[in-house]
Amino acid sequence: AQKVTQAQTEISVVEKEDVTLDCVYETRDTTYYLFWYKQPPSGELVFLIRRNSFDEQNEISGRYSWNFQKSTSSFNFTITASQVVDSAVYFCALFTGGFKTIFGAGTRLFVKA
Amino acid sequence: EAGVAQSPRYKIIEKRQSVAFWCNPISGHATLYWYQQILGQGPKLLIQFQNNGVVDDSQLPKDRFSAERLKGVDSTLKIQPAKLEDSAVYLCASSLEPGQGAIAEAFFGQGTRLTVV
Repeated sequence: AQKVTQAQTEISVVEKEDVTLDCVYETRDTTYYLFWYKQPPSGELVFLIRRNSFDEQNEISGRYSWNFQKSTSSFNFTITASQVVDSAVYFCALFTGGFKTIFGAGTRLFVKA
Repeated sequence: EAGVAQSPRYKIIEKRQSVAFWCNPISGHATLYWYQQILGQGPKLLIQFQNNGVVDDSQLPKDRFSAERLKGVDSTLKIQPAKLEDSAVYLCASSLEPGQGAIAEAFFGQGTRLTVV
């Protein structure tokens, strides 16, 4: 079975704090892709990153970084020095063979000034 | 570059009525998706088109939902008759046709918020 679990329903931090959003996935496929999307109050999902199952290199993009660990089936997302504009719902998603895309339930992040 | 366009943004209907949503994907994107997002949940794929053809509609409630993609471009999603549990945001997304061994990210529209009363 394919599954994406985002155990943190809501996180609240104060501006400039670092925050990590957890994502754990399940799949029997050996080839798959993992995504993170941001959903601001406007509603559309904004693509943040894609990672394929053969590339375990961590990635940093500005204040964002991602830690992919196949051994623990996790693809965690860290925001460094959070800002109020980071407040949104963040979704982790799994794409597998058979054209299946499965989203987690999302983590709502509140960043307070 | 223009994004994915959806209309209407909001719709309120009574149960048992019909409703249709429209989506215009990004130009050149062969793949089009319709997702249903119930409040507090992640998006759930309803149907995926590759050009004109349906790739996956396994989670589409076919007794009441239908979708078509005209000439491989615009798409409409229809619900007939609507039920209270259909209240959700309906998101349309599009992506480039997957290349060899690569999956393109999907670009999403702002969605249509449907309320069934």
